Parts: sequence; structure tokens; C-alpha cells
Amino acid sequence: AQSVTQLDSQVPVFEEAPVELRCNYSSSVSVYLFWYVQYPNQGLQLLLKYLSGSTLVKGINGFEAEFNKSQTSFHLRKPSVHISDTAEYFCAVSETGGFKTIFGAGTRLFVKA
Amino acid sequence: DAGITQSPRHKVTETGTPVTLRCHQTENHRYMYWYRQDPGHGLRLIHYSYGVKDTDKGEVSDGYSVSRSKTEDFLLTLESATSSQTSVYFCAIGVREGQTDTQYFGPGTRLTVL
Repeated sequence: AQSVTQLDSQVPVFEEAPVELRCNYSSSVSVYLFWYVQYPNQGLQLLLKYLSGSTLVKGINGFEAEFNKSQTSFHLRKPSVHISDTAEYFCAVSETGGFKTIFGAGTRLFVKA
Repeated sequence: DAGITQSPRHKVTETGTPVTLRCHQTENHRYMYWYRQDPGHGLRLIHYSYGVKDTDKGEVSDGYSVSRSKTEDFLLTLESATSSQTSVYFCAIGVREGQTDTQYFGPGTRLTVL
């Protein structure tokens, strides 16, 4: 069965510093991978997704993620964060042929001035 | 904006009462989902639908039922609410891409069961 592990529950970082939010998954079949962002008191917004093709995926708000099949990872990165990036970030995985998506427990990113 | 609305946005109810949450979409998508979000658990799937009158259980379906009589509406019912069902509930629609869905979420309903 597929599963998703977000390795950090909270990540504090200073404004304009780079950040990496880590995500590992397990699955016995081909997967599709997603990152969502949730701002306080809002729903989840799609940041980026990997369906096929290039393993480096660029998303909204300057975020990017790299699919690493050998390490079963899909880490999210941003070279320079802003205060407005403070939010909770969720990694998610779905399997080929399925329409269920499994979500990680979330990583709370806190950007400090 | 995926054209998804949820109602009510906030509700406080008492243990043992029935509660129905509504999800409405305007774009005629076939797949719809109900999740609950709790601290430390991310989102957990309650039920999903792959068409009118076609529904199935997710990982945390006990105590919940759903109905989909029209493409645009997906209802989640708590037959007899319990305090463990205090949570934030999100509806999502699935946009089919290849062999998977990309899911887009509504704004959520915060439910408190006293």
C-alpha cells in the first residue's frame, strides 16, 4: 500500500533564506506526486505536480520539486522565501490507475523576519 | 478557483444530532471526495464518488454516509454526531489526467460537536 512521510513537522527559516521540505513515499507501482499549500483558515491549493516527463517540476510562487525514483523522494524547494510563504505544506501521492490520493501529515513552514 | 463551494462553513452541534454537509461544484466533474483534516494526520479520505449514485468508502468512513443524486452536489452526513467527529471537512473534485486525478479543494467546513 502506498504511504507518504513528511520528514519535518515544522521548519523555521529566515526571510530570503533557501528552504527544502522533505517528502518520501512508498509504493509498489508507478506514482504521481503532488505538493499542496494551505494558508490559515483556507483550503488546500495545488503548488505543483509530477505526472511524467522531467523529474524537476516547477510550480507557483517560485517553488520547485524534484522526483527521485531511486530514493522515493519528492522534496520541495524554494531558493529564497518570503514572509508570505508561511503556511502548511502537504505532499501527496497517487498510484497509476487509481483515483485515491494519500496525503502526508504536513510540514508547517514558518518564515521569520 | 475550481468552482467548489461548501456549506455551511462553520457549524456547532451537539452529540447525537444528525449533520449534513454540502459540497457543490459548477464544472461538472465526475470525481468528488470528502476528507477530514486533523492535526498530525494530514487529510484522510472519508468517502468518494465516481459518478451520480456511485460512491465508495475511504479509510475513515465509519459514522459517515454520502449521497450524490446530481453531478454537482455531494453530501456528507453524520447520522449521529460524536465528539470524535469534530474536525475540518474538505470537499475536493478530481480532474482526470492520464491515469490519475489532480484534486482541487473547497474552502472547508469547520464542525464542532459538543
